[in-house]
Amino acid sequence: KQEVTQIPAALSVPEGENLVLNCSFTDSAIYNLQWFRQDPGKGLTSLLLIQSSQREQTSGRLNASLDKSSGRSTLYIAASQPGDSATYLCATCNQAGTALIFGKGTTLSVSS
Amino acid sequence: GAVVSQHPSWVICKSGTSVKIECRSLDFQATTMFWYRQFPKQSLMLMATSNEGSKATYEQGVEKDKFLINHASLTLSTLTVTSAHPEDSSFYICSARSGVGATEAFFGQGTRLTVV
Repeated sequence: KQEVTQIPAALSVPEGENLVLNCSFTDSAIYNLQWFRQDPGKGLTSLLLIQSSQREQTSGRLNASLDKSSGRSTLYIAASQPGDSATYLCATCNQAGTALIFGKGTTLSVSS
Repeated sequence: GAVVSQHPSWVICKSGTSVKIECRSLDFQATTMFWYRQFPKQSLMLMATSNEGSKATYEQGVEKDKFLINHASLTLSTLTVTSAHPEDSSFYICSARSGVGATEAFFGQGTRLTVV
């Protein structure tokens, strides 16, 4: 059974720092991996989707990498801003069309 | 990206009553939708997979008679929490993919259910 772990659980940084959020999964036979942002009491916003054949995806200040063989993905946030404060969730999809399996998230706080 | 709309965004109900939550795909058709539940400080846990025109598939430990799912059209799935109790208080969120073979999942805004 796939298990997704995210480290750290919480992170506080000053504005402007570059930071890395980590995600690991136990079953490397994934179909894709998706990173989401969740604001308190809100739904999920999709940030980046990495197919199993890809090694990274970029969107603006965000870069996500995927190393299937080691069961790891990282989300890199450049030049962090207070508006980046949220919980970041990593989720894997093990088969096309199936549900996602989520980690517990990393709660990020960026201070100005 | 594709838009998934969930309603209501929050609801407070008395113990013993039933609550219906709607999940709509606004600009695409979704043959499959997923219902998740999230407790405070916890991750999203899949409750059931909703299939248009057929019965939902429930995860182990989720009572199908308590959490009724109806997916009557390609754009609407509903989750009804029957005879709600305080322990059912949680954040419920639905998800859908935009079309056959699509791989990116989009989520509704979530519904905060509080049973008093």
